[in-house]
Amino acid sequence: GESVGLHLPTLSVQEGDNSIINCAYSNSASDYFIWYKQESGKGPQFIIDIRSNMDKRQGQRVTVLLNKTVKHLSLQIAATQPGDSAVYFCAENIAGGSNYKLTFGKGTLLTVNP
Amino acid sequence: DAGITQSPRHKVTETGTPVTLRCHQTENHRYMYWYRQDPGHGLRLIHYSYGVKDTDKGEVSDGYSVSRSKTEDFLLTLESATSSQTSVYFCAISDRGRGETQYFGPGTRLLVL
Repeated sequence: GESVGLHLPTLSVQEGDNSIINCAYSNSASDYFIWYKQESGKGPQFIIDIRSNMDKRQGQRVTVLLNKTVKHLSLQIAATQPGDSAVYFCAENIAGGSNYKLTFGKGTLLTVNP
Repeated sequence: DAGITQSPRHKVTETGTPVTLRCHQTENHRYMYWYRQDPGHGLRLIHYSYGVKDTDKGEVSDGYSVSRSKTEDFLLTLESATSSQTSVYFCAISDRGRGETQYFGPGTRLLVL
């Protein structure tokens, strides 16, 4: 079957470099954001999340930055490794009644060159 | 995959036949979701459930129905499969709903001929 990585923006980096993946979100009322990683043939995997009362959150080798003024989210990966090669996409929480829904971006394909 | 399994993992079927996909979780999470993923699109919500026998439509629900008779199982049915329903289908779960991360299963790849 066709890979989810086709037709996506791509970012190619050298092993050991830092990677920055960007996401523009659509709804100024969104208050919760998630980054997912999806390897070929697998389901999306949670990386890190951030709430709108924060500007920055750090995890293991990853940092998420949130700029609510311009509705922009970024994921920084430090010392990128070949195992980081995947599609990365952001998701935002847009309130829908009393139940929880996420809206997903289309993603960025990250390729790490050894 | 956070205690989520999907079955079957791969299926080939013919136009006009009914198809049921199963999502099973062992996390006792309240919320369950069905998405489809197609090239050029982000994940799109088909249906979701906020409790046993409580379900609601997502953005691409036409041609699909769901059922949830117990907490751990969420079934997605294509009543009469069409070629436009060829896709990869993902199930997801979350615990408390609003402002909570969704965790995904491994996916089912469906081909409708």
